[in-house]
Amino acid sequence: DTGVSQDPRHKITKRGQNVTFRCDPISEHNRLYWYRQTLGQGPEFLTYFQNEAQLEKSRLLSDRFSAERPKGSFSTLEIQRTEQGDSAMYLCASSAHGVGTDTQYFGPGTRLTVL
Amino acid sequence: GIQVEQSPPDLILQEGANSTLRCNFSDSVNNLQWFHQNPWGQLINLFYIPSGTKQNGRLSATTVATERYSLLYISSSQTTDSGVYFCAVAVAYGGSQGNLIFGKGTKLSVKP
Repeated sequence: DTGVSQDPRHKITKRGQNVTFRCDPISEHNRLYWYRQTLGQGPEFLTYFQNEAQLEKSRLLSDRFSAERPKGSFSTLEIQRTEQGDSAMYLCASSAHGVGTDTQYFGPGTRLTVL
Repeated sequence: GIQVEQSPPDLILQEGANSTLRCNFSDSVNNLQWFHQNPWGQLINLFYIPSGTKQNGRLSATTVATERYSLLYISSSQTTDSGVYFCAVAVAYGGSQGNLIFGKGTKLSVKP
């Protein structure tokens, strides 16, 4: 059983460019979450999906951010017109909601640097 | 919203020592997890423990939900235990029943 995977692991971009990250959850996990972590802080929730439905979005998720989970499998997080303040670690997690526990398992993250 | 406070913020131990990390939360929760974040940023799930006591090797955790706190015990610490330990909770009511709210973490350094 493979864990949560994320791609790419690192991304350096120039301000104003668009970037897209991918997350592959643990197979058969119905919930998928996105979090963002800046240096010295705990992760902050961005959004989550149950199957293909996006059920909640944080106020941190500005209009420049969009997430999708087509067919309820992998998910993508796109940031348009990146700003230096978007530099952070973007973490993905998945869980099997409603089946015993709701333990969230995290991927290794994508570290974004906006120059 | 719910507040999650962890203490102490920093902890330095000699190898072999024991320690207790604390997490206080301000409202009812239906999910509480402890994580260890290693130096490469990977969040490793230690315990899913919204209530009760669990043990896994040298680590154990206790959550007293009625008093809104959880404790993580590390016994016979090793240098590989170094890193940041996070407590994270999910609220037990309302629409936000999925996302975890994280504390600021306890940074543990174990010296050889």
